Amino acid sequence: GAVVSQHPSRVICKSGTSVKIECRSLDFQATTMFWYRQFPKQSLMLMATSNEGSKATYEQGVEKDKFLINHASLTLSTLTVTSAHPEDSSFYICSAEGLAGAVAKNIQYFGAGTRLSVL
Amino acid sequence: LAKTTQPISMDSYEGQEVNITCSHNNIATNDYITWYQQFPSQGPRFIIQGYKTKVTNEVASLFIPADRKSSTLSLPRVSLSDTAVYYCLVGEKAGSARQLTFGSGTQLTVLP
Repeated sequence: GAVVSQHPSRVICKSGTSVKIECRSLDFQATTMFWYRQFPKQSLMLMATSNEGSKATYEQGVEKDKFLINHASLTLSTLTVTSAHPEDSSFYICSAEGLAGAVAKNIQYFGAGTRLSVL
Repeated sequence: LAKTTQPISMDSYEGQEVNITCSHNNIATNDYITWYQQFPSQGPRFIIQGYKTKVTNEVASLFIPADRKSSTLSLPRVSLSDTAVYYCLVGEKAGSARQLTFGSGTQLTVLP
């Protein structure tokens, strides 16, 4: 149980295009989803926290108009990198936290990550 | 935010027990301590979680002293496949938002 699917696993795009990444909780309802960014040899950096049906809360320094987050249902959140540029190239990881009782409380379940390369 | 401090790297040999300690001096009353494992180009995988004293599951043990200002992840009899980065995470909830900080993690290298 507690599986989080992230798609695509890898994307290569031209500079200026927008890229959408999906994060789905397959066997539980995710009350909260998180989006992280990770550069090579570095730790995960939290970008934003989203709760179903409400606006995402972005961390300081993360542009909300650049990284659009939609959490329309309890099993799906999307991150859209708008007008991507080479400096946006990174490893993006989502995680989901479920309702206590359905899955373990206070535990994030992570997707496999998306490697974004902007040419 | 409860900040965590871990050793940057550790080496061990197959079959040995490995203990990785994490410091979290300003841990809050409601915080849980959670450890994750991450392989290259993969999302982190949950290992174990605790609040106080000792927790054990099929893969690891977690020791938390009474003051909760540190925690130690213990991996019994490691194998080459345990080579990974291990993160200690201390969670804090503020209203409806959750404030989390991943530390630098510990790169564990298991040698044959």
